[in-house]
Amino acid sequence: AAGVIQSPRHLIKEKRETATLKCYPIPRHDTVYWYQQGPGQDPQFLISFYEKMQSDKGSIPDRFSAQQFSDYHSELNMSSLELGDSALYFCASSFSVRGDDEQYFGPGTRLTVT
Amino acid sequence: DAKTTQPPSMDCAEGRAANLPCNHSTISGNEYVYWYRQIHSQGPQYIIHGLKNNETNEMASLIITEDRKSSTLILPHATLRDTAVYYCIVRVRSPGGYNKLIFGAGTRLAVHP
Repeated sequence: AAGVIQSPRHLIKEKRETATLKCYPIPRHDTVYWYQQGPGQDPQFLISFYEKMQSDKGSIPDRFSAQQFSDYHSELNMSSLELGDSALYFCASSFSVRGDDEQYFGPGTRLTVT
Repeated sequence: DAKTTQPPSMDCAEGRAANLPCNHSTISGNEYVYWYRQIHSQGPQYIIHGLKNNETNEMASLIITEDRKSSTLILPHATLRDTAVYYCIVRVRSPGGYNKLIFGAGTRLAVHP
């Protein structure tokens, strides 16, 4: 079965650079969630999109923005990168129109900021 | 969403049942109990969820007490590949992308030969 695809899998950037992470949800899923997991920490919710509109927002820095496109893929844009942004970034997708909403996670993008 | 409490770590012998408890004493009537797990640095994986009845799927069983204040995730025959952090999450279900997961500390399950 198709799974959530994230690219790139690994990314190394320097401080103050920008990064773009991409997420391709499972076909027919209408919702995308982004999570950040710092070293030794539990995943933390950043932002979600339902039917291409932002639906919920967590502790996402103002330097980050995201959107969901007409083909339902999503991109997380991160600017003015800081050392503390080094983390695993997970995307999850679900079919949430009925509220069933089991979330299926991608393999993550490991971002290292030097 | 209701707060959950899980033991920080547990051990289990391979082939035996692993029983992972979760307390959620402040759960409200419309909140579901979800279980996810995360194998080292992989994306979290959905396991099972329930409202008040016991549930079983190909991965695990979920036993919810009658008062719904606690639950137990059962892996009937644990294997080494079940070594992971297991998260118990309680939340309502809303349509339209409002079902963010709030991960607590979880239980680190170690399955040993």
